[in-house]
Amino acid sequence: GNSVTQMEGPVTLSEEAFLTINCTYTATGYPSLFWYVQYPGEGLQLLLKATKADDKGSNKGFEATYRKETTSFHLEKGSVQVSDSAVYFCALSESPGGGNKLTFGTGTQLKVEL
Amino acid sequence: EAGVVQSPRYKIIEKKQPVAFWCNPISGHNTLYWYLQNLGQGPELLIRYENEEAVDDSQLPKDRFSAERLKGVDSTLKIQPAELGDSAVYLCASSLDPGQGTGELFFGEGSRLTVL
Repeated sequence: GNSVTQMEGPVTLSEEAFLTINCTYTATGYPSLFWYVQYPGEGLQLLLKATKADDKGSNKGFEATYRKETTSFHLEKGSVQVSDSAVYFCALSESPGGGNKLTFGTGTQLKVEL
Repeated sequence: EAGVVQSPRYKIIEKKQPVAFWCNPISGHNTLYWYLQNLGQGPELLIRYENEEAVDDSQLPKDRFSAERLKGVDSTLKIQPAELGDSAVYLCASSLDPGQGTGELFFGEGSRLTVL
C-alpha cells in the first residue's frame, strides 16, 4: 500500500535559519505529492504541491521538488520566521484512480525562536 | 467564500455514550471526507463520499461508527457507543470531483473528542 515517511520532530530553529523537512514515499503508479500545514488552532491547509517527477512546488518561500529516483519530496525554506511555527504534513494522492484521497505522514512540528 | 464548517469544536463524553459530528462542505464540492487524527499522528481516512454515495469506507469501524450524507451536502459522523480509544480529532474535508480542480482537499478545523 501507499505510505509516507517524515522526519520526526520537533524541529527547533532560530529565526532566519535554513529549514529542511525530509519526506519519502512508497506508492504504486505516479502519485501527486503535497505539503499541508497546520498552524496552532487552525485546520490543515495546502502549502504546496507537485503532480509529476521533477516538478517543483513553491509557496510562501517554501519549496519542494518531486524526486522520483529517490522517492522524495523534501520541504525547504531559506529563512524561517517565527510565524512559520506549525506542524507540517507530507502527503500523497494516487489520483485519478484514488480520487483525491490523501495518505499522510505523521507530521513534523516546527518551532522557530527569536 | 465560507470554508468547511464543523461542529462541535470540542466534545467531552463518558465512555459508552453516543456522539455525533456535523460537517458542511464548501459549496459546490461534491466529494467529502472524514479523517481521524490521533495525537501526534497524521490524518487517516475513515470514509469518502462522492455526492450521496460512500465510495470508500474500508477504514470505517462499522461496528460502532456510522456516517451519512443525505442530499449530497452536509454529513454526519456518529459513534455509538464511544470507547476510550476514540479520543481524537475528527476532520472533515471537501474537494471538487476527482479529475477537476487541483486535487486539493479543504479541511475544517476539526472536532476534538475526549472520552472519559
